[in-house]
Amino acid sequence: GQQVMQIPQYQHVQEGEDFTTYCNSSTTLSNIQWYKQRPGGHPVFLIQLVKSGEVKKQKRLTFQFGEAKKNSSLHITATQTTDVGTYFCAPFGGSNYKLTFGKGTLLTVNP
Amino acid sequence: ETGVTQSPTHLIKTRGQQVTLRCSSQSGHNTVSWYQQALGQGPQFIFQYYREEENGRGNFPPRFSGLQFPNYSSELNVNALELDDSALYLCASSLGGGEETQYFGPGTRLLVL
Repeated sequence: GQQVMQIPQYQHVQEGEDFTTYCNSSTTLSNIQWYKQRPGGHPVFLIQLVKSGEVKKQKRLTFQFGEAKKNSSLHITATQTTDVGTYFCAPFGGSNYKLTFGKGTLLTVNP
Repeated sequence: ETGVTQSPTHLIKTRGQQVTLRCSSQSGHNTVSWYQQALGQGPQFIFQYYREEENGRGNFPPRFSGLQFPNYSSELNVNALELDDSALYLCASSLGGGEETQYFGPGTRLLVL
């Protein structure tokens, strides 16, 4: 199966600092999706990466897919309190067209 | 908002009971997937329905069953509830046919005592 490991598990930052979470797989992935889940909320789709070495930006968020398609990262520049939540990476696919979520990285931001 | 709705929002049951959770998919979506999210964990895939047929199943026992209706809404049934079934149950709808973007509903929080 498409298992992914995310590090770190937790990250606490001061508002304005940068934040990065990493997603690693032992197998080559066909794609990787990123979701954000606010405390008490549900996962919200952020982006999908498909191509080797792909880099996509959404305002202060930068997503990368590794050249070997075995790892991915999410970088947030100048965090804000609205960035608080758990960030999940999840490859999509397999025979069930399912998402396989990692354990996520919980980001807290001190104002 | 994704347009995916779930009911009820919260539920308390006792061990051994049965529960039915409901999900209305986003308009135009014919695929519904169900996930279980235990506290502090990522969502785990339970099963998926595509045009009223089960289209894949995760590592969950047969007491977890489902149904999809002609309007593509869906139900998740859990029999013989166990304490470990306490979790957030999420449904996600998508266009199907390999379309990857999943739109999650707000979830049903189930507590089994």
